[in-house]
Amino acid sequence: GAVVSQHPSWVICKSGTSVKIECRSLDFQATTMFWYRQFPKQSLMLMATSNEGSKATYEQGVEKDKFLINHASLTLSTLTVTSAHPEDSSFYICSARWEGTEAFFGQGTRLTVV
Amino acid sequence: AQSVAQPEDQVNVAEGNPLTVKCTYSVSGNPYLFWYVQYPNRGLQFLLKYITGDNLVKGSYGFEAEFNKSQTSFHLKKPSALVSDSALYFCAVRDRFGTSGTYKYIFGTGTRLKVLA
Repeated sequence: GAVVSQHPSWVICKSGTSVKIECRSLDFQATTMFWYRQFPKQSLMLMATSNEGSKATYEQGVEKDKFLINHASLTLSTLTVTSAHPEDSSFYICSARWEGTEAFFGQGTRLTVV
Repeated sequence: AQSVAQPEDQVNVAEGNPLTVKCTYSVSGNPYLFWYVQYPNRGLQFLLKYITGDNLVKGSYGFEAEFNKSQTSFHLKKPSALVSDSALYFCAVRDRFGTSGTYKYIFGTGTRLKVLA
């Protein structure tokens, strides 16, 4: 199947700082990318959907100023958690697809804010 | 609204025995249904999907799923479980027609499968 790579796999940052997570589709051009957040022992919560070159569509309750999503190219989307706080600590997962395919998922990024 | 339900938080099965992980769905129109598996601290791996056609869908690692429209179910099955199958399994449904060409994947709460040696 297609490969989606997330970087970093894990990150620890200080409260108040910002952290950027990258999501790359390695062997295909992703027309749509999704960002999810997963709490321990819970399902994936969709945060936002982004199409290349367009603004991301955020789900209700997700702060767009806090979780900045950029989908600058067909192979790269970034999620920046701004002014991170301990409650932002979570497992963040991206996925990507192109027309007619299912979504392929990255390996996830574990963010810990201390 | 589209939704999927996984009624079991955990399923235990002995190695070599058949396994079933349950999923029911609620959608308007015909569904696109998926099963994904997640290993600890990893993303999701695609197992199989149903779009149309044969109700029995075969996927990766010997898994299969049966689409039952009358019962609105899409249960995941495997004839003989392996210890290495132990993981978290998610059922998902995708909107068949999105707006602006986009789609949403709606996930169930997940079922932890534990295969005992």
